[in-house]
Parts: sequence; C-alpha cells; structure tokens
Amino acid sequence: EVQLVESGGGLVKPGGSLRLSCAASGFTFSNAWMSWVRQAPGKGLEWVGRIKSKPDGGTTAYAAPVKGRFTISRDDSKNTLYLQMNSLKTEDTAVYYCTAGNPVAVYWGQGTLVTVSS
Amino acid sequence: QSVLTQPPSASGTPGQRVTISCSGSSSNIGSNYVYWYQQLPGTAPKLLIYRNNQRPSGVPDRFSGSKSGTSASLAISGLRSEDEADYYCAAWDDSLSGAVFGGGTQVTVL
Repeated sequence: EVQLVESGGGLVKPGGSLRLSCAASGFTFSNAWMSWVRQAPGKGLEWVGRIKSKPDGGTTAYAAPVKGRFTISRDDSKNTLYLQMNSLKTEDTAVYYCTAGNPVAVYWGQGTLVTVSS
Repeated sequence: QSVLTQPPSASGTPGQRVTISCSGSSSNIGSNYVYWYQQLPGTAPKLLIYRNNQRPSGVPDRFSGSKSGTSASLAISGLRSEDEADYYCAAWDDSLSGAVFGGGTQVTVL
C-alpha cells in the first residue's frame, strides 16, 4: 500500500523558514517523480513544484509564487522528500500535500498545515 | 484565477447524472493528459480519473472522464449522497512547465 506521510508543519512568523518532510513507502521511491501541492484555507489546489527521479535527471521545477524561496530535494536512501521554505509570507499559509506521480499527482499524503502569521 | 476553468458548483438528485466541465488551452489539456480528483470534506484529494478516462482500481464505474480538444469533462452517473465533495481537474502545462489545476467544483446531492 502506498503511503506518504508529511511532517514539519506549524506556526512560523513572516520572513521565517520551515522544512517539511514526506516519508514514502509502498512503492519504488527512487523511480518516482515527487511533487508538493498546497491548499490555502477554503481555497483550491495549487501546484508548488516537483522533482524528477534521479534516473530522469533529478531536476526541479517550481510555481512562480514560490520560485527562489522554496527548494525541493529528495533522499532516496531514506525514501524521503523535502520542502525547504524560506522567506515565508502570510499567503503561504496552507495545507501542504506531498504527492507522487509523473507528471501529475497520483498518490497523495494526508497533508501538513503551515501557518504564517505574526 | 485558475489556469483551468471549472464551474464552481453542480448539483443533482440521487440517481441523476451530473457532468463537470474543465476548460483549458493548447499548452495544457490540448497536449497533455487530464486528471480528476475527489476531495471529501476535511480529507486529502483522491485520484478519480487519470490519463483522461482511466479509473484507478477501487473507483466505481459511475465515474467517467472524457477529453476533446482543449476541454475535458467528468461525469457522475447514478449520483449518491456520498458523492458530495469537491472535484478538481488537473493537467501538465508545457508553457508553464508545471501542473495546473481547475478551481474546483462543489457537487451537492439534493
């Protein structure tokens, strides 16, 4: 059974940083393209970015609102995906979902809430 | 403003057929697969349709997807109370080099 378990969410002040983790199991993580998708309170889904598998180049791509502030990385030895978020803004407040799929999400985690507020 | 356009709401009585549209452009729906997700209240989205019209195992055949040109649609036949949820379409966008979502359609069973 595929499982994606996010962690690391919480309350952070504007301008602060936070790192989210996603522990994956039930599939060959090293071959998977992984993405982060977020959902602001009461709003729709928004793609944040993705990282390809290393066999496919391991490159990253980001949505315009987070480019230059967020970094996606992976540790295939630990079956774990990361999202490093810097220079956080109030508009980054959302539930962040870890997803697996090429190129669009097939499997989803349960999400972790990030609240950016002073 | 979402890149893919969906109606904000749809409704029907139990047993009816409901259709949700998703309109895009040549850089997304026109040249890539469409995916549909169901999000029940308070839960994470779940894949409902992939590659335009394929159902993952476990998804009832009451749900069907189709695509034509730069538009796609999701049909729910034999509507049931447990189908009350938000539904989202998505596709890869070659111009943006990213995935794009519709704004979501809230389905209500009357």
